[in-house]
Amino acid sequence: GAVVSQHPSRVICKSGTSVKIECRSLDFQATTMFWYRQFPKQSLMLMATSNEGSKATYEQGVEKDKFLINHASLTLSTLTVTSAHPEDSSFYICSAPRTGALNEQFFGPGTRLTVL
Amino acid sequence: GQQVMQIPQYQHVQEGEDFTTYCNSSTTLSNIQWYKQRPGGHPVFLIQLVKSGEVKKQKRLTFQFGEAKKNSSLHITATQTTDVGTYFCAGSMDTGRRALTFGSGTRLQVQP
Repeated sequence: GAVVSQHPSRVICKSGTSVKIECRSLDFQATTMFWYRQFPKQSLMLMATSNEGSKATYEQGVEKDKFLINHASLTLSTLTVTSAHPEDSSFYICSAPRTGALNEQFFGPGTRLTVL
Repeated sequence: GQQVMQIPQYQHVQEGEDFTTYCNSSTTLSNIQWYKQRPGGHPVFLIQLVKSGEVKKQKRLTFQFGEAKKNSSLHITATQTTDVGTYFCAGSMDTGRRALTFGSGTRLQVQP
């Protein structure tokens, strides 16, 4: 099956710093990728849709200036959490849909962000 | 906005018992998918249902999509310890956008 990687897998940072998370589709091209956030023992919440070559589409309540998304190529999307605060600590997961009729999403392994 | 709820939130069964999780959407879905997330892992795709009333089986797992395309269920027969994890349904309203709204999830614990 298709593989999606994320880097880093885990990051601990101080409050006020910015953190960049990379999401790569390793063996297929993805014009669209999705970024989700998951708090402990909760469901995945869609944050934004990353579109290659154009601006990301953010879900209601997600600050676009705080969560910067760049989809510069067909295999890479990045999420930058700017001026991170402890309440931003979470599990961030990206996904890329399989091309074709089936809307199967391939998920990256996730990035655990802890803001001190 | 669209909401997808699942019940129960948590279920603890003895190995060999059956398990069912139910998924209900506030809006009609174009398709529904099911994912399994093991503790510490990421969601892994199980199946997609598209047609009204559709039923699909994967070994011990049976998936159903309601006639109104607003609800779905996952039934596991004779659970095994390898079934442990959280099961999420995820619905899509817009066939073009492909974004998913995830259900609240059902965490399954299987006692050996």
